[in-house]
Amino acid sequence: AQSVAQPEDQVNVAEGNPLTVKCTYSVSGNPYLFWYVQYPNRGLQFLLKYITGDNLVKGSYGFEAEFNKSQTSFHLKKPSALVSDSALYFCAVRIFSGGYNKLIFGAGTRLAVHP
Amino acid sequence: DTGVSQDPRHKITKRGQNVTFRCDPISEHNRLYWYRQTLGQGPEFLTYFQNEAQLEKSRLLSDRFSAERPKGSFSTLEIQRTEQGDSAMYLCASSFSTGTGGSSTKNIQYFGAGTRLSVL
Repeated sequence: AQSVAQPEDQVNVAEGNPLTVKCTYSVSGNPYLFWYVQYPNRGLQFLLKYITGDNLVKGSYGFEAEFNKSQTSFHLKKPSALVSDSALYFCAVRIFSGGYNKLIFGAGTRLAVHP
Repeated sequence: DTGVSQDPRHKITKRGQNVTFRCDPISEHNRLYWYRQTLGQGPEFLTYFQNEAQLEKSRLLSDRFSAERPKGSFSTLEIQRTEQGDSAMYLCASSFSTGTGGSSTKNIQYFGAGTRLSVL
């Protein structure tokens, strides 16, 4: 079955320290991978995507993600965390079904950045 | 560009009542998606439109659920005879594609703020 796993329910980081939010996937074929962020009572905001090419993808707000095909991972990273980065982060993979596509999301990881 | 708009933001209803939600996608987007998100979970796909055609429906979408997208613009999601298990956040997303298969670099789904449904 095609799926996305986010193994950590919560990640705690001190402001100014680097952060990593983990994501692993299981899909057939080449994956299209995405990261979204959700603030309280808000919809999901697109951060970045990997389709093909360079394994290190840069996105919004200083976030980046590294695609690792052998480990089937797509971890989200930021060199220096801000308190305002505290939110719920979702990894997603695009599934192609009958020529059409939809996103399958992980359960989410809550990031808490402490001053 | 005002983004994806959803109305209402919150809906409280009694079990057995019908409810309807509206989604206005980004104007040039031809694809529209509905997802459901319950507490502590990621969004789950419900259904998908390309222009006015509903092309895919999840098994999560029971017979009590119906979605439309007349004229390929806004979309409505109706839930009939609501149950307490329908309580969730209903998210709408839209995207633009230059073709099928999802190979376009423009195929990013942009989400609205959602409609939170509480069934009492």
